[in-house]
Amino acid sequence: AQKVTQAQTEISVVEKEDVTLDCVYETRDTTYYLFWYKQPPSGELVFLIRRNSFDEQNEISGRYSWNFQKSTSSFNFTITASQVVDSAVYFCALSGGYNFNKFYFGSGTKLNVKP
Amino acid sequence: GAVVSQHPSWVICKSGTSVKIECRSLDFQATTMFWYRQFPKQSLMLMATSNEGSKATYEQGVEKDKFLINHASLTLSTLTVTSAHPEDSSFYICSARAIDRVPDTQYFGPGTRLTVL
Repeated sequence: AQKVTQAQTEISVVEKEDVTLDCVYETRDTTYYLFWYKQPPSGELVFLIRRNSFDEQNEISGRYSWNFQKSTSSFNFTITASQVVDSAVYFCALSGGYNFNKFYFGSGTKLNVKP
Repeated sequence: GAVVSQHPSWVICKSGTSVKIECRSLDFQATTMFWYRQFPKQSLMLMATSNEGSKATYEQGVEKDKFLINHASLTLSTLTVTSAHPEDSSFYICSARAIDRVPDTQYFGPGTRLTVL
């Protein structure tokens, strides 16, 4: 079964703090993809990153970084020096290698960054 | 990236009427589009996968006759909520797969908020 768990329902931080959003996944596929999307209050989902199961290298993009660990089935997302504009709901998603089209979304983590 | 639009962005209708929502890929061709439903403070639920020129594939529990999907061209898919009722009120989001873009992923439209009175 495919499943994504985002245990943190809501997180509040003060601007400039670092924050990590957790994502744990379950899959029986050997090939799969993991994603993070941002949903600001406007509602539109913004693509942040895609990672395939064969690439465990961590990735950094500006203030964003992702830690993919197959051993713990986790794909955590860290925002460094958070800003008010980072306030949004963040979704982690999984798609299988044999059915790439079907995305399994986690329940989302709402991040509140206060000035 | 790739751009996906939805129209309308919000709609209010009376119970019993039908509502059509359009999803367009603006700068790429999408052989596959997806329709999701999102309730307040909840995650996205895939309703159906729409393939250009063929019938949509619906997820379990989604009524095909209630949510009509048409994917007549490589850039347009429509979702029609037939005989809408208040329980159909929700945020409907479409996405399109851009296989010729890097990365190959689903790009989401801005969503349509449907309120049925």
